[in-house]
Amino acid sequence: EAQVTQNPRYLITVTGKKLTVTCSQNMNHEYMSWYRQDPGLGLRQIYYSMNVEVTDKGDVPEGYKVSRKEKRNFPLILESPSPNQTSLYFCASSLAGATEAFFGQGTRLTVV
Amino acid sequence: ELKVEQNPLFLSMQEGKNYTIYCNYSTTSDRLYWYRQDPGKSLESLFVLLSNGAVKQEGRLMASLDTKARLSTLHITAAVHDLSATYFCAGAEYGNKLVFGAGTILRVKS
Repeated sequence: EAQVTQNPRYLITVTGKKLTVTCSQNMNHEYMSWYRQDPGLGLRQIYYSMNVEVTDKGDVPEGYKVSRKEKRNFPLILESPSPNQTSLYFCASSLAGATEAFFGQGTRLTVV
Repeated sequence: ELKVEQNPLFLSMQEGKNYTIYCNYSTTSDRLYWYRQDPGKSLESLFVLLSNGAVKQEGRLMASLDTKARLSTLHITAAVHDLSATYFCAGAEYGNKLVFGAGTILRVKS
């Protein structure tokens, strides 16, 4: 089954404790991205990757890092999480130039 | 820079009524998407509109695109409770980047 898998689904952590949210897709997609969803703001892109070892900032990259060492994986790293990063995070993937994007199930992160 | 505005942001409607959600965008967008999100769930793709005048329908939902007016609409016909959800429109900026509206929370009351 074609899918984008995020882990964990829920995470509560403390300020400053490094964490990684994993994202994996099994569709051989070139393009992967991370979004955060906040009430009244919709989804905003954090980082994206056009292919292996090619990443770039989206609209709200501060406080986040990503890497793309393999085509299928695109982890989101919070080196020193802060409460303003409490949000719902989605990973998405698509073929380059394709019309359809596939979204993961979401990760609800709470930073206290 | 593409900006996408939806209105209304909250819509409470009676079962059986019709209503329209509007999505305005600021610059040229290759395509326009409509997504549905149920509470605690991921985004479900409803429609992808690719060209001016495109109209797509699925059940009680119909989406249209007017690229000259930079406007897309999602029309709900004879609403039922199962349509209660949050609806997002999104435009595409330089390739695969999606720029989302704030979302419309739809509540259908019986």
